[in-house]
Amino acid sequence: AQTVTQSQPEMSVQEAETVTLSCTYDTSESDYYLFWYKQPPSRQMILVIRQEAYKQQNATENRFSVNFQKAAKSFSLKISDSQLGDAAMYFCAYRIQNKLVFGAGTILRVKS
Amino acid sequence: AAGVIQSPRHLIKEKRETATLKCYPIPRHDTVYWYQQGPGQDPQFLISFYEKMQSDKGSIPDRFSAQQFSDYHSELNMSSLELGDSALYFCASSFTGGPNTGELFFGEGSRLTVL
Repeated sequence: AQTVTQSQPEMSVQEAETVTLSCTYDTSESDYYLFWYKQPPSRQMILVIRQEAYKQQNATENRFSVNFQKAAKSFSLKISDSQLGDAAMYFCAYRIQNKLVFGAGTILRVKS
Repeated sequence: AAGVIQSPRHLIKEKRETATLKCYPIPRHDTVYWYQQGPGQDPQFLISFYEKMQSDKGSIPDRFSAQQFSDYHSELNMSSLELGDSALYFCASSFTGGPNTGELFFGEGSRLTVL
């Protein structure tokens, strides 16, 4: 069974600083997708960044980047220059075929 | 751009009643997913459909059923509602192929409250 583990229930970061959210997953597959989703208080699920497992290059989207370590099955999210609007619940997710499995989530608080 | 549309956005039901949630995927998307998110929980996968056929099944109770229609919209039917069914229900859609293969686009969710 595929599982996704987010070991940090809650993280805090000062505005304009950098924070890293960790995620590990378990799979026996070689071809899959990994995602980070953001869920603000509105409860909307917003895609932050995606990574294809076959790509060695780490994905980057503006202030958001990942550190994908396939052998270690690790997929951390780095948020640079944190902004107040980044405060939300962040879910790491793994997709295999027609199923997306989420981790338990990390609450990110941004201090001004 | 068109997004995933869910209706109703809010629904209040009594125990043992029935509820139906609707989902309209993004045009040309071939896969629809249903998720249930309880308070403070991560979204739990219920069921998915690919080209109107059930493609994967998760932790969907036997009291729940779902289907995808010829126009690709999907409905989640929930019967004999229990207090524990109170949750936010997300529908998502995706397109198999193209540069965004694998990405799920989520609707804004339908909040079900069972009293």
